[in-house]
Amino acid sequence: DAGVIQSPRHEVTEMGQEVTLRCKPISGHNSLFWYRQTMMRGLELLIYFNNNVPIDDSGMPEDRFSAKMPNASFSTLKIQPSEPRDSAVYFCASSLVVSRNTIYFGEGSWLTVV
Amino acid sequence: AQTVTQSQPEMSVQEAETVTLSCTYDTSESDYYLFWYKQPPSRQMILVIRQEAYKQQNATENRFSVNFQKAAKSFSLKISDSQLGDAAMYFCAYKGQAGTALIFGKGTTLSVSS
Repeated sequence: DAGVIQSPRHEVTEMGQEVTLRCKPISGHNSLFWYRQTMMRGLELLIYFNNNVPIDDSGMPEDRFSAKMPNASFSTLKIQPSEPRDSAVYFCASSLVVSRNTIYFGEGSWLTVV
Repeated sequence: AQTVTQSQPEMSVQEAETVTLSCTYDTSESDYYLFWYKQPPSRQMILVIRQEAYKQQNATENRFSVNFQKAAKSFSLKISDSQLGDAAMYFCAYKGQAGTALIFGKGTTLSVSS
């Protein structure tokens, strides 16, 4: 089975530009998570969805960030406008909505905003 | 709210030796799951080992084992016969009831010398 697939793997963009990160969860999984990793703050949960419904978006930094999950096999995380402090690795992860199930991570999207 | 604390930012070990990474957590839940993830320089998040809180027996995966002390809310990772490929950042993580996200500690960077 394919794992969690993220794109792009690397993106360099200029401040003020819109950035869209994409994620395809593991087939059959119904929970999807977006995390951000920086040196200063470590791994932070941004938002997660259960059955395509956002459950907790309290980690979304500000209105410049938005996330959608239009169907069970696709999610986007959008930053508009981007700022240099948004530079980070963004991870998407998925699992089944069952406590004992492990959460599986994609390889991450490395974002650099200059 | 649940918290996870890793008090050792960096650890080092010699090849073939044993090292223990510490993790403590805080929760009021009685049923939960604990994980150790490994993150090599590639930034990929790799599940190392998982422990269900209701199980008294400590989990073991080949050279990796945990010491789970539920009353003390402690969950340490022991790596035996350390190998150069074990060098990475290790994250301790907590997962509570169904449909919730992983909460991570700040991580411990492990270096292995020959």
